[in-house]
Amino acid sequence: YVLTQPPSVSVAPGETAKITCGANNIGTKGVHWYQHKPGQAPVVVIFYISDRPSGIPERFSGSNSGNTATLTISSVEAGDEADYFCQVWDRSADNPWVFGGGTKLTVL
Amino acid sequence: QVQLVQSGAEVKKPGVSVKVSCKISGYIFINYEIHWVRRAAGQGLEWMGGMNPARGNTVATQKFQDRVTLTQDTSMSTAYMELSSLTSEDTAVYYCARKGGTLFDFWGQGSLVMVSS
Repeated sequence: YVLTQPPSVSVAPGETAKITCGANNIGTKGVHWYQHKPGQAPVVVIFYISDRPSGIPERFSGSNSGNTATLTISSVEAGDEADYFCQVWDRSADNPWVFGGGTKLTVL
Repeated sequence: QVQLVQSGAEVKKPGVSVKVSCKISGYIFINYEIHWVRRAAGQGLEWMGGMNPARGNTVATQKFQDRVTLTQDTSMSTAYMELSSLTSEDTAVYYCARKGGTLFDFWGQGSLVMVSS
């Protein structure tokens, strides 16, 4: 099961960033999103499609339908610059823990 | 609070093994699986395998099945990942992560493993 993300997304501060994660019928799965900054541990920013852990700003939101899941970051700040990875659990796969290739978010 | 603290950076020569530790605190060790994920420079996150501390059974992706050994010391609330027959392609940051449902909800700080002759 392959999750496809764009390698990079660039936005100016204050704008909205949308990072997609594409796969066959991903809309039927629970999708999770991680933020990974250099030298730090990955952090969950969205889990089960649209839930936010405590401490994650409301600016982060998620959606999932059809063949595309989307992480939306509104009012982007410089501190949001990071790599973002989507992830699903596919019980039928030999490798059930699947990550997308990652998207580098650049804040211009 | 939940914490996963990993062992420090290692430099290894090709062909040898490396063992990384992950000590947890803030929850009961046997209640959650610990998994291992690595990230090489310029690459994405790559799941390697995981262990159920209550049952002691492990699972690993085919890519690493023959080279990775997952163990634990429940008395020390510590999980271990040993990777053998290292090559330069194993140079990466290795993370332990707690499995919460179908995601990894807490992560260690990462352990850099550099393989160089």
